[in-house]
Amino acid sequence: KAGVTQTPRYLIKTRGQQVTLSCSPISGHRSVSWYQQTPGQGLQFLFEYFSETQRNKGNFPGRFSGRQFSNSRSEMNVSTLELGDSALYLCASSRSTRTDTQYFGPGTRLTVL
Amino acid sequence: GESVGLHLPTLSVQEGDNSIINCAYSNSASDYFIWYKQESGKGPQFIIDIRSNMDKRQGQRVTVLLNKTVKHLSLQIAATQPGDSAVYFCAEKGGGSNYKLTFGKGTLLTVNP
Repeated sequence: KAGVTQTPRYLIKTRGQQVTLSCSPISGHRSVSWYQQTPGQGLQFLFEYFSETQRNKGNFPGRFSGRQFSNSRSEMNVSTLELGDSALYLCASSRSTRTDTQYFGPGTRLTVL
Repeated sequence: GESVGLHLPTLSVQEGDNSIINCAYSNSASDYFIWYKQESGKGPQFIIDIRSNMDKRQGQRVTVLLNKTVKHLSLQIAATQPGDSAVYFCAEKGGGSNYKLTFGKGTLLTVNP
């Protein structure tokens, strides 16, 4: 069974631009979560989607948004990029319940110049 | 607020030795705990999980111990191998309808041949 895939793997943007990242979950998984990983803050939860609805949200500004499609694929968008948004953005998928294992993709490395 | 922290940022062991990685958590409502391994350039990889109604769980070469009294979690790796070198994260989920994972800062395990 194929794992979680994320595209693109690397991105370079400049301040003020916006970016869209994509995540395809493992087949049969309906929950998709997004995390930001930086050396200073570690892994931080952004949001979680299930059946096209945002079910949980972390403490990030409104510039960070996401959505989920009917096929469970998910996208996250960051508008008006700031230097501090440079990070590894990780997507994780799971079946549906709270204690289902979350499986992570390889991440998208975003660099903001 | 809730937090998950690690006692040691780095751990260096000899090949064949047993490794113990520790983690403290502060959210007494947490009811599900997971250990992940992250190798350079990859997303976190699930190792083992444990629910709050258990004290111990064993996998292949790994054992997780949970002490709810002192809010402490540990990961034991038997016969550590060079391939075990990575950053190890503990993560927890709060109770109720909380679906997000809260991660610790991570411990870098280095296995010396």
